[in-house]
Amino acid sequence: DTAVSQTPKYLVTQMGNDKSIKCEQNLGHDTMYWYKQDSKKFLKIMFSYNNKELIINETVPNRFSPKSPDKAHLNLHINSLELGDSAVYFCASSPITLGRDGYTFGSGTRLTVV
Amino acid sequence: TQLLEQSPQFLSIQEGENLTVYCNSSSVFSSLQWYRQEPGEGPVLLVTVVTGGEVKKLKRLTFQFGDARKDSSLHITAAQPGDTGLYLCAGARGGATNKLIFGTGTLLAVQP
Repeated sequence: DTAVSQTPKYLVTQMGNDKSIKCEQNLGHDTMYWYKQDSKKFLKIMFSYNNKELIINETVPNRFSPKSPDKAHLNLHINSLELGDSAVYFCASSPITLGRDGYTFGSGTRLTVV
Repeated sequence: TQLLEQSPQFLSIQEGENLTVYCNSSSVFSSLQWYRQEPGEGPVLLVTVVTGGEVKKLKRLTFQFGDARKDSSLHITAAQPGDTGLYLCAGARGGATNKLIFGTGTLLAVQP
């Protein structure tokens, strides 16, 4: 039973299209995140939600819109896709207080914009 | 920007060798975590260090948090091919956000 599952695993799409990535966690965690990993493997936070409430919104273009229907789900919708959006997007979750617990990551969505 | 610099960036060694990966910052962190990421997968937590000077051992892996809580190291003894992967340190500043700042990564390849 996968703890953090995100779909799809691979996404190839044309510039200008709109696409969504879905994420679900069954760990009972209160906090969920979206991170972007670039071609140099650098992981950068995009958004964080606590119990459906947006907590962190880094300097991400308005074309990216997260949505959390409940605390177990955090989806990412991207409008008007650009070549530079190509990357691996990771969803993660954690308890509300990090302590010695870390993030549990999904296996990533590799987005390729052509 | 709270940058966490890791060194080396790449490391290719033979099975049985020892190695150390460094994670340095000019910022103080409330805790520091190490993750390992394998191809096609998300990072997986290895350890969390919280106290300045703290040392934690996980089999052949030894993690240390700097006294000033600005840096950390990961030492692997007698590396094995199964240790191959991308090692990421990540610092937490505490507070309400639980935001982790990830390091620049160290890609380790252990040749049999």
